[in-house]
Amino acid sequence: DAGITQSPRHKVTETGTPVTLRCHQTENHRYMYWYRQDPGHGLRLIHYSYGVKDTDKGEVSDGYSVSRSKTEDFLLTLESATSSQTSVYFCAISPRTGNSGNTIYFGEGSWLTVV
Amino acid sequence: QKEVEQNSGPLSVPEGAIASLNCTYSDRGSQSFFWYRQYSGKSPELIMFIYSNGDKEDGRFTAQLNKASQYVSLLIRDSQPSDSATYLCAVTAPFGNEKLTFGTGTRLTIIP
Repeated sequence: DAGITQSPRHKVTETGTPVTLRCHQTENHRYMYWYRQDPGHGLRLIHYSYGVKDTDKGEVSDGYSVSRSKTEDFLLTLESATSSQTSVYFCAISPRTGNSGNTIYFGEGSWLTVV
Repeated sequence: QKEVEQNSGPLSVPEGAIASLNCTYSDRGSQSFFWYRQYSGKSPELIMFIYSNGDKEDGRFTAQLNKASQYVSLLIRDSQPSDSATYLCAVTAPFGNEKLTFGTGTRLTIIP
């Protein structure tokens, strides 16, 4: 395992409520990512971070915000959840050094249902 | 045109045969290419990566890259039922791009 813990693993929430997903890594990797995975769309990047307090948007960032106050933690927040945000969310990390280069390693996923 | 394209399948292969999975990409400057395996309800796990034209072998798996034709393939020799999964191709853009773009995956079923 790549030393990535996501929480919660499963959550059901109501439309309009805020939701925060947490990703914790023990690998001290610089890069962290949040992806969502939906049938027919595959994995799509929401946001990523290249260091503490350094974040950038991915291709599907609308409705999401992120924060990284420590190397090991990367939080994804849905400010006001909508049914279209029902998905599986994967956190990923990358060493971005050495032979593994751009390789990313995934956490176990967080299943979010917005009703 | 999608940046990374894969045939969604399902691809059915008899046990013991060679499974061939293909992926094409649109950005000619792409540098790094990855294959991930994902079992139903699980997270993607890295199988292998390839940077240079040609073949790269790791056990029963061989990745093949042809940058001129912009495709990358994965061959699985001596296919086993445990190889039944969805296989994801991922590509990075030119050097310095931190993001992987994924295809939608090919579902592979190995028939005993």
